[in-house]
Amino acid sequence: GAGVSQTPSNKVTEKGKYVELRCDPISGHTALYWYRQSLGQGPEFLIYFQGTGAADDSGLPNDRFFAVRPEGSVSTLKIQRTERGDSAVYLCASSLKGWSEAFFGQGTRLTVV
Amino acid sequence: GESVGLHLPTLSVQEGDNSIINCAYSNSASDYFIWYKQESGKGPQFIIDIRSNMDKRQGQRVTVLLNKTVKHLSLQIAATQPGDSAVYFCAEIHTGRRALTFGSGTRLQVQP
Repeated sequence: GAGVSQTPSNKVTEKGKYVELRCDPISGHTALYWYRQSLGQGPEFLIYFQGTGAADDSGLPNDRFFAVRPEGSVSTLKIQRTERGDSAVYLCASSLKGWSEAFFGQGTRLTVV
Repeated sequence: GESVGLHLPTLSVQEGDNSIINCAYSNSASDYFIWYKQESGKGPQFIIDIRSNMDKRQGQRVTVLLNKTVKHLSLQIAATQPGDSAVYFCAEIHTGRRALTFGSGTRLQVQP
């Protein structure tokens, strides 16, 4: 596709359940970032991939959060034992070079009930 | 601690006026700054960037000013249009890192 695609666009899950959020970056983009945005706040960094490896995972809030990018393209953010506080919009961005050439997807709105 | 924040949560301007959105940052190790525009239901959209070795950069209808002495960043939008209505974020990158740190945003409302 022409842009960064995130699926699903909306996800409602029950507290305690496991969820997976998918990010399809722009083809050829080697850098991929996950951010989380709570209502009325700026995006908060979670994890950064360069190729297949997580180059910086310092933003993951706890061990319930995990992300993979096995083939250096699509990435999946996995959240175990979801809590109501995990409710937010999860954003993905990709770039080939720097941030001036990075693009964000529209996000996945996660609601934990 | 490290933070990027904004002085005004909401800014209302008349169509055709110039807008100025301000941002304060606290990390003197930040060497790259970006302004983003975010419309409802969409991801942030890059507007303009500036490196710490510059104090001004101009784009189409937008200008970013950087004052490293007081750790202040501003975005000026000339001849503001209704399509400029959105939330604007400043973001910074610390030397040696790749991750952006975002501020909390300013909502710009353009009155016709």
